[in-house]
Amino acid sequence: DTEVTQTPKHLVMGMTNKKSLKCEQHMGHRAMYWYKQKAKKPPELMFVYSYEKLSINESVPSRFSPECPNSSLLNLHLHALQPEDSALYLCASSQVVALSYNEQFFGPGTRLTVL
Amino acid sequence: GDSVTQMEGPVTLSEEAFLTINCTYTATGYPSLFWYVQYPGEGLQLLLKATKADDKGSNKGFEATYRKETTSFHLEKGSVQVSDSAVYFCALRTNFGNEKLTFGTGTRLTIIP
Repeated sequence: DTEVTQTPKHLVMGMTNKKSLKCEQHMGHRAMYWYKQKAKKPPELMFVYSYEKLSINESVPSRFSPECPNSSLLNLHLHALQPEDSALYLCASSQVVALSYNEQFFGPGTRLTVL
Repeated sequence: GDSVTQMEGPVTLSEEAFLTINCTYTATGYPSLFWYVQYPGEGLQLLLKATKADDKGSNKGFEATYRKETTSFHLEKGSVQVSDSAVYFCALRTNFGNEKLTFGTGTRLTIIP
């Protein structure tokens, strides 16, 4: 299984809502990532988890809260988002983090719209 | 810091044309280099990679050679198809425990029949 799955595929939420994005992989990868991608732009790294511990937070606002319950699952909890947070949210995973040649496998993304 | 410069798009080609998308990089140390492809409405897929100088990555008819002397990793394909229409991202990742992928801005490719 070389797949990263993400749910939901699409999400529309109001600025006062609380929602969560889910990501799952069964490749035995111990690094997992959240990216945000705006239209016609490359993905921007938000968070990195290494061995289920948060290792990188790219100064992301606290209205985004990541969680890694186990080595296969990664969640992104959303609360009080702004319309400018509307984007495609991509999850990725890779093998041992410190080796540069280990490619990241990306999921299909969740298209988020904040009204 | 690390950076990737990609050819500005969009690029429009006829089917069976030769494709080159230029990519140059700046990095400390010895990066690994990647080309990712993103089809409309989808996530990114790894197209090919090269991990050291003079390595050639290849997949689905696409090729790219890691050129340390020119700090380049240009993507080429001899005969493109309509199904190759997508956005292509060049990216690098360095050693030293750096988990970050540094992406280029992406090149949108459209192939017309």
